[in-house]
Amino acid sequence: GAVVSQHPSWVICKSGTSVKIECRSLDFQATTMFWYRQFPKQSLMLMATSNEGSKATYEQGVEKDKFLINHASLTLSTLTVTSAHPEDSSFYICSAVGGQGNQPQHFGDGTRLSIL
Amino acid sequence: ELKVEQNPLFLSMQEGKNYTIYCNYSTTSDRLYWYRQDPGKSLESLFVLLSNGAVKQEGRLMASLDTKARLSTLHITAAVHDLSATYFCAVDGGGSNYKLTFGKGTLLTVNP
Repeated sequence: GAVVSQHPSWVICKSGTSVKIECRSLDFQATTMFWYRQFPKQSLMLMATSNEGSKATYEQGVEKDKFLINHASLTLSTLTVTSAHPEDSSFYICSAVGGQGNQPQHFGDGTRLSIL
Repeated sequence: ELKVEQNPLFLSMQEGKNYTIYCNYSTTSDRLYWYRQDPGKSLESLFVLLSNGAVKQEGRLMASLDTKARLSTLHITAAVHDLSATYFCAVDGGGSNYKLTFGKGTLLTVNP
């Protein structure tokens, strides 16, 4: 089945550090990738929609300069949390949609980010 | 604004019992998804429901969709401990808009 690889799984770093998270579709071309954020015991909140070769579309309230998204190819999207602070600590999950409609989004394994 | 409401949010049940989780949504997309999430893990796709009256079953779980009522149900039959997890329903924007809006999730605990 379709697989989405997300890396790294865990990140612990100091406040002020920038962190890059990669999301790769391994066996299909992802026309669209999504980035979600999940706080403990809460649902997923969509941060942005990423389309290959174009600028990401951010949801209301998500800082574009804080969360940089690059979708360089049909198999790779990256999320960079710039100058991270403790309040950015969260579980970040990417998902990918291929060219075929009516299929479930395939989710990466998530990245747990802890900012000290 | 698209809304997806799930209930109950918390469900504690005994092994062997049956129960249903409900998902109401406000959009006209009618593409509805059910996901499972184990603690500390990402989402696992369970079902995709695409049309009115759609019913899908996998093991002890069965999902259905009533697009006229904008309601989906996830029915659990003869629950076992391994089903303990958080279950999310989600709806996308319809057409070529696959942006998902999630319900708040139902934390299911199956007790021996």
